[in-house]
Amino acid sequence: GENVEQHPSTLSVQEGDSAVIKCTYSDSASNYFPWYKQELGKRPQLIIDIRSNVGEKKDQRIAVTLNKTAKHFSLHITETQPEDSAVYFCAATYNSGGGADGLTFGKGTHLIIQP
Amino acid sequence: DGGITQSPKYLFRKEGQNVTLSCEQNLNHDAMYWYRQDPGQGLRLIYYSQIVNDFQKGDIAEGYSVSREKKESFPLTVTSAQKNPTAFYLCASSMWGGRETQYFGPGTRLLVL
Repeated sequence: GENVEQHPSTLSVQEGDSAVIKCTYSDSASNYFPWYKQELGKRPQLIIDIRSNVGEKKDQRIAVTLNKTAKHFSLHITETQPEDSAVYFCAATYNSGGGADGLTFGKGTHLIIQP
Repeated sequence: DGGITQSPKYLFRKEGQNVTLSCEQNLNHDAMYWYRQDPGQGLRLIYYSQIVNDFQKGDIAEGYSVSREKKESFPLTVTSAQKNPTAFYLCASSMWGGRETQYFGPGTRLLVL
């Protein structure tokens, strides 16, 4: 089955600086890669996702890049703000087009924004 | 997100007891999922269902059971065979098609007495 590794487990950055979280996956057939943000005791919320037919996607201060050859994808947050503090999860899944499979998640990155 | 509800918010299980967690969605989503989250861990897939009356085991299905009698509902039963049930349980749903976004419910925290 799929295996997703996520690094670092904790990331502390100064407010206004950029943060980068990296994930690798094992199954070269995986074709959908979402990122979720989870605040303490709350549900995960999708912040951005990318499909295997593109290499990069941006949404305001957030971007995701995908390298299919190396089987890794990264989350980039620019101009970090205090409200960005949370745990971030990457995930991966393969779908043949016939149905909805479950996601395989990384173990999460605790992002701390220092004032 | 507001279209997926889970109940109860907290659930206490006694030794040897089966308990059922509720998940309902009004988003007209075809697929539904159950994940377990332990402290410091990512989410792990327990079961998922693509259509009514059909479901598949995920990575950690042992000690759990599900049913999908209605499109809107996907209850999870934690059986007495699950020896370490204390966790945060999250239900999710998505449109059919596999790569569509999964939206999560607010979760149920299960504790053992």
